[in-house]
Amino acid sequence: IAGITQAPTSQILAAGRRMTLRCTQDMRHNAMYWYRQDLGLGLRLIHYSNTAGTTGKGEVPDGYSVSRANTDDFPLTLASAVPSQTSVYFCASSVQGGGNQPQHFGDGTRLSIL
Amino acid sequence: QKEVEQDPGPLSVPEGAIVSLNCTYSNSAFQYFMWYRQYSRKGPELLMYTYSSGNKEDGRFTAQVDKSSKYISLFIRDSQPSDSATYLCAMSVNSRELVFGKGTKLTVNP
Repeated sequence: IAGITQAPTSQILAAGRRMTLRCTQDMRHNAMYWYRQDLGLGLRLIHYSNTAGTTGKGEVPDGYSVSRANTDDFPLTLASAVPSQTSVYFCASSVQGGGNQPQHFGDGTRLSIL
Repeated sequence: QKEVEQDPGPLSVPEGAIVSLNCTYSNSAFQYFMWYRQYSRKGPELLMYTYSSGNKEDGRFTAQVDKSSKYISLFIRDSQPSDSATYLCAMSVNSRELVFGKGTKLTVNP
């Protein structure tokens, strides 16, 4: 079934450790996104990429980095995890970049930083 | 003031009820309006997509946009227990990122 695959599905991590969340899509979408979802705060955009080789910052980019080496993969890295990064992380994609494009979401990675 | 306001609920209704979910917004430049449904421990999935003002119907679901009042609604007719989920509104100007509401949690009781 075509869609977005995120890995791992959940993870407990010690503060200060480095962590990479993986995201792969098989829909050949040009644009990809990373969001975090927190109770009471909703979905907030971390980083996005409108096409392979380019990335941009969203609303809450601090402490996170991304890369887009090819169309299908968009990993999110926490260089040195802190407890405030405990959240559910969703990867999404759309055919093109821009707010008029419906986005397709993965099922998330639940990350706990202790 | 946040750009998009959505009552978090929770909203609990009996099976068969008509459900009304709403969002207000402050940016009059928003043109694209979407509703997403999110089941527990799953990612959001697109439910309805509308451009500018007016109504759009898809089965038991109707999306309504009132740009003059900066108000959008999602109506669910003959609600079913399988409609129990969190509903997120989202909207945007063409070139900018999608802005999400915080979501309304709906429970439909059999």
